Amino acid sequence: ELKVEQNPLFLSMQEGKNYTIYCNYSTTSDRLYWYRQDPGKSLESLFVLLSNGAVKQEGRLMASLDTKARLSTLHITAAVHDLSATYFCAVGEDSSYKLIFGSGTRLLVRP
Amino acid sequence: ETGVTQTPRHLVMGMTNKKSLKCEQHLGHNAMYWYKQSAKKPLELMFVYNFKEQTENNSVPSRFSPECPNSSHLFLHLHTLQPEDSALYLCASSHPGTFNSPLHFGNGTRLTVT
Repeated sequence: ELKVEQNPLFLSMQEGKNYTIYCNYSTTSDRLYWYRQDPGKSLESLFVLLSNGAVKQEGRLMASLDTKARLSTLHITAAVHDLSATYFCAVGEDSSYKLIFGSGTRLLVRP
Repeated sequence: ETGVTQTPRHLVMGMTNKKSLKCEQHLGHNAMYWYKQSAKKPLELMFVYNFKEQTENNSVPSRFSPECPNSSHLFLHLHTLQPEDSALYLCASSHPGTFNSPLHFGNGTRLTVT
């Protein structure tokens, strides 16, 4: 059974600092996604990672995938307040429409 | 309208009521999903439909009954719910014919069972 673990679950950081969110999963998978959710809002797709070594960047966020280690990271560079949200990773079960989500990381960027 | 639309946004129901949640997508997708988001648990997959056929039922209690009349519409019929069923119910859709496309989520229905 595919399990997805994120850490940390809560992250409070100062503006301008860097930090990394980790996503581990338990079985092989052919795809991994990162989503963002603002309070009271729906989930917004950030990145789709489909192969070992894949790296995607958008603004101050960079996501990478290591399929051998079953690990994805979401790196935040020089955080700004607008990045405050909950970030989820989601892993696809092989050859299935099933997408299993991590518990989410609630990020708070302080001035 | 574009994207994934869910109605109602909020719903309060008693344990003996019957109600339905509606989801409509205007993205040309053929796969549609119901997820449950509770305060203390990760998003839980409930059901998946692909081309109107149910492909996943994640051991969901029978008091939740999905219906997918066509590729653009998805319903979740609710009856004799329990207070622990109170949660945000999210509908999503994805691109036809591929497992790789990301899910596009609606804004959810906030359900409170009294």
